[in-house]
Amino acid sequence: EPEVTQTPSHQVTQMGQEVILRCVPISNHLYFYWYRQILGQKVEFLVSFYNNEISEKSEIFDDQFSVERPDGSNFTLKIRSTKLEDSAMYFCASRPLTSASYNEQFFGPGTRLTVL
Amino acid sequence: KQEVTQIPAALSVPEGENLVLNCSFTDSAIYNLQWFRQDPGKGLTSLLLIQSSQREQTSGRLNASLDKSSGRSTLYIAASQPGDSATYLCAVGDHGLTFGKGTHLIIQP
Repeated sequence: EPEVTQTPSHQVTQMGQEVILRCVPISNHLYFYWYRQILGQKVEFLVSFYNNEISEKSEIFDDQFSVERPDGSNFTLKIRSTKLEDSAMYFCASRPLTSASYNEQFFGPGTRLTVL
Repeated sequence: KQEVTQIPAALSVPEGENLVLNCSFTDSAIYNLQWFRQDPGKGLTSLLLIQSSQREQTSGRLNASLDKSSGRSTLYIAASQPGDSATYLCAVGDHGLTFGKGTHLIIQP
C-alpha cells in the first residue's frame, strides 16, 4: 500500500543551523502538508502546498520556515536558523485530489528534530 | 478559532469491552472530521474520515459519528483488543487540520 515517507527519522542540530526535512508524498497526491508536534502537546498545522505554491499557513509558519517541491517527488521543509523551541516531531502529510474519500490526509512517520 | 477537545484524556479497560471516545469542537462550520491512531513515537494512522455531509463512518470494529449542530463526534470501538492500545486523535478542518490532545487508551489483556 502506498505510504508517505520521511527522512531522516531523527535529526540533531545546533541552535542557529539550517535544517531541511524531506518527505516523499504518495504518488498522484496533489496536496501536501507539514505539521509539528512538540513533545506532550497537540499536533499543530504549519503549512499546506498545492500547485507549487503555499495555499495556507499557520501563524507558526514564519519567515524562518520555507517549503519546496524541488523535483516533482520530494517535498521539503526548511528551517533557516533553528531555535531550541523548534525541537519537535515534524510530520508530512498528503491528500489526493479525487477519490472516494478525497479529503483524507495520510501522514508520514515523522522526523524528530532535536535542537541543542 | 477552532478548538478541539477530547474526553477522556486517558482510559484503561479490560480486553473485550466496547468503548466510546469523545471529541468536541467549537466551530460547527467544519468540512471534515478525521480520527487517527498514534502509537508511541510513531506517525499518525488515519482510521476514519467523516465528511461534513455525512453522519457516520464504519471500518471493521470502529464506528465514528458526527453531529455538527452540537459540535461532537464519537469513536466507538467494539470488542476492544490489546492491539488497540494507542493514542486516538480527533482532527477537524479542510486543509489545515486542528487536532485535539487525544485519548490515551490502554486495553488490559
